[in-house]
Amino acid sequence: GAVVSQHPSWVICKSGTSVKIECRSLDFQATTMFWYRQFPKQSLMLMATSNEGSKATYEQGVEKDKFLINHASLTLSTLTVTSAHPEDSSFYICSVLAMGEQFFGPGTRLTVL
Amino acid sequence: QKEVEQNSGPLSVPEGAIASLNCTYSDRGSQSFFWYRQYSGKSPELIMSIYSNGDKEDGRFTAQLNKASQYVSLLIRDSQPSDSATYLCAVPINQFYFGTGTSLTVIP
Repeated sequence: GAVVSQHPSWVICKSGTSVKIECRSLDFQATTMFWYRQFPKQSLMLMATSNEGSKATYEQGVEKDKFLINHASLTLSTLTVTSAHPEDSSFYICSVLAMGEQFFGPGTRLTVL
Repeated sequence: QKEVEQNSGPLSVPEGAIASLNCTYSDRGSQSFFWYRQYSGKSPELIMSIYSNGDKEDGRFTAQLNKASQYVSLLIRDSQPSDSATYLCAVPINQFYFGTGTSLTVIP
């Protein structure tokens, strides 16, 4: 399967700041990547589908101006949480669609103070 | 009806027993089905995929698919404490739909 990395693995920031999370596909050229958010003891929630070279497709209820996604290459997608607030504290996970299967990165735990 | 449904559990089994996890899906046209394992605080890990009716075995794991009943299950034989995790069923329809997961605890 595809190997996916995320950076940073955890981040703590102050309210109002922006945080960028990187998702890299290490051994597969990924046309499509996904961004999920998971709150404690809850299921995965798909935030957006990231397509290389085009605009991301956001799920209903996800603010595209707040969660900026850039998929500039076949190996890198970034999620920027702009003007983060405590309610944005969550576990953010990216995944890569490879050969019809989805492989997840290790996740980034964001804590907004 | 949700696209993918699982019993949330929790499911507890003694060590060495068979754990049975179940999933139903809504789209009769679905062709591929996946089971993920997610340890607490970690991201999901793909453990099984199944595409055809019947059983698929991989070590202690067996995935079972019944398209007529729109039902896919995961059996874990000889359950170990290290199998304690949340198991997610996923079915791609127009996107990947995940069930809410079943929490499994294997009691030593």
